[in-house]
Order: sequence, then structure tokens, then C-alpha cells
Amino acid sequence: DVKVTQSSRYLVKRTGEKVFLECVQDMDHENMFWYRQDPGLGLRLIYFSYDVKMKEKGDIPEGYSVSREKKERFSLILESASTNQTSMYLCASSSGDRRGYTFGSGTRLTVV
Amino acid sequence: KNQVEQSPQSLIILEGKNCTLQCNYTVSPFSNLRWYKQDTGRGPVSLTIMTFSENTKSNGRYTATLDADTKQSSLHITASQLSDSASYICVVSASGAGSYQLTFGKGTKLSVIP
Repeated sequence: DVKVTQSSRYLVKRTGEKVFLECVQDMDHENMFWYRQDPGLGLRLIYFSYDVKMKEKGDIPEGYSVSREKKERFSLILESASTNQTSMYLCASSSGDRRGYTFGSGTRLTVV
Repeated sequence: KNQVEQSPQSLIILEGKNCTLQCNYTVSPFSNLRWYKQDTGRGPVSLTIMTFSENTKSNGRYTATLDADTKQSSLHITASQLSDSASYICVVSASGAGSYQLTFGKGTKLSVIP
């Protein structure tokens, strides 16, 4: 089974800090995604990548950036964390045919 | 605009009872539909995936149905257990080049009580 690993389950950061959320997948998937999930809003796509060094904006990219230097790793960066970025962050990866679509366990980020 | 609507928003049932969750979608062109189970504070875990030609898929006590003509899907849970308490999310994928994104429903929160 594909394993998608997010480096932290819980994070607490201060307003203005630069925050890195790391995601690693072990199945050589081309596509990787970052979502945030908030009550009543469901999952919203922040950024995705379909190849190394490639990135595409999702629905809510403002305040975020991403990095994909290696195929298996996709990082989400909060350049200057704000309290409205307190959320559950979910990473996912998928194969080229998009049938295998697997989520990580999530990172609960709190910005104080 | 592609949309996925789930109902009900929340549901409480007694342990051992059956229940059915609904999903209506307007995603086009349709590629596949997935149901995920998400425990509180964890990432979603896939239960089933169905393509256009499949109208039923089972995974243990979970059975998903798909009617591609009416663009409706349901997830039926048989003989519910306390561990079934979770949010269930319906996700639809469009076909075509560049269709990397999925359209998510907002989920149905199921509570199974003793």
C-alpha cells in the first residue's frame, strides 16, 4: 500500500514565524497535493505538483508556497504564519491515472 | 462549476443498525467516484472507488452504489459498529488531460451510539 507520511501530527507556531510542513510518499507517484480542512468548508486545495520542480496553484494559494525538489517529497511553506492559517493540513499523492489517491495522516497546525 | 453535495450533514444511529449516506454530483466529464472514511483528527482513508461502468462496490460492511445517469451515489453501512463513527467524504474526479484535481463533498458526520 502507498504510504504518505507527514512529518508532524501537531504543531504550534507563533504569528509571523516561517513554517515548513513536510510530506513524503513511497510509491513513486507523479502527483502530490496539499489541502487544508476546516469545519464546514471541507477540503480545499492549496497547491499541487505533477512533477519534480513543477507546481500549480490550487483554490487558496495565498499565504503559502511549496517546494518539490525530489519526486517523493512535497513541502508546504507558510512564509509568515497568521492565526487564520490555523487548520488541519493534509498531503496526498496519486498515480498518473489518479486511481490511487492516498492521504497522509494530517498535521494539525495552531498559530498563536 | 463542479460540485458534490452530501446528505445528511450528520447522523446518529444505534450500534447494530444500518444506514445510508447520499452523494449527488455535477462533475463533468466524470471519471470516478470515491468514498473516504475520516476519523477525527486523522487523514481520510479510501473505502471504495468506482468508475462509470461500475454501479456497486463493496468493502466489508460498506457498500457503495453509483448511478451515473442521475449522478448519484450512496454508501450503505451494514450492522454498524462504534468504530464506524467518523466523517464520510464523497470525492469525484473529472477525466481529461490536466484534471489533477478532485471535487470534494463536505462530508457526513456519523455517530454510532451504544
